[in-house]
Amino acid sequence: DIQMTQSPSSLSASVGDRVTITCRASQSISTYLNWYQQKPGKAPKLLIYAASSLQSGVPSRFSGSGSGTDFTLTISSLQPEDFATYYCQQSYSTLWTFGQGTKVEIK
Amino acid sequence: EVQLVESGGGLVQPGGSLRLSCAASGFTVSSNYMSWVRQAPGKGLEGVSVIYSGSNTYYADSVKGRFTISRDNSKNTLYLQMNSLRAEDTAVYYCARDVAAAFPNWGQGTLVTVSS
Repeated sequence: DIQMTQSPSSLSASVGDRVTITCRASQSISTYLNWYQQKPGKAPKLLIYAASSLQSGVPSRFSGSGSGTDFTLTISSLQPEDFATYYCQQSYSTLWTFGQGTKVEIK
Repeated sequence: EVQLVESGGGLVQPGGSLRLSCAASGFTVSSNYMSWVRQAPGKGLEGVSVIYSGSNTYYADSVKGRFTISRDNSKNTLYLQMNSLRAEDTAVYYCARDVAAAFPNWGQGTLVTVSS
């Protein structure tokens, strides 16, 4: 199985901050990498697909980059509604796997 | 509009069985890859099973031999038959639609609790 490792596991930030979350795959996955946002009691929401493509309806302050084994999700200016948990997911192998999540909290 | 609505969760004793359903609207289940993803209380997301449009199926090692994914094309519904349930299967179970190797559509989730 392909293992996905996110860092950090949690972070505290203020509204307006630039936030970066990283995700590392245990083997090369090309650009088969997606990012999701999840709020308590809700289903995950797709933000970024294919490493850098913005899902329709998602604000442009979200961006993704990377290929191979190292990937990044960036929120350019954190908004109150962005406090949530973020997951990366590889869709390279038959049964895709998720990172362990990064919780973004209010400082 | 695409909608996915799960049902069938509940409390079950260890060793018991449950069948989860995911009723789809706005698209055809049989023409899409469909997946089940679960989330244990306070934990992260775990892929459980996937069924391809051609009927190939795959399972996480943790559920292989105990869970079966299937679909009913006439009802446009996805299922997950769960047998020999264990405490560690306790989770919210989501169905999700795969579009170009990503999940843009999710159901609201159904809670499965395995406990005596």
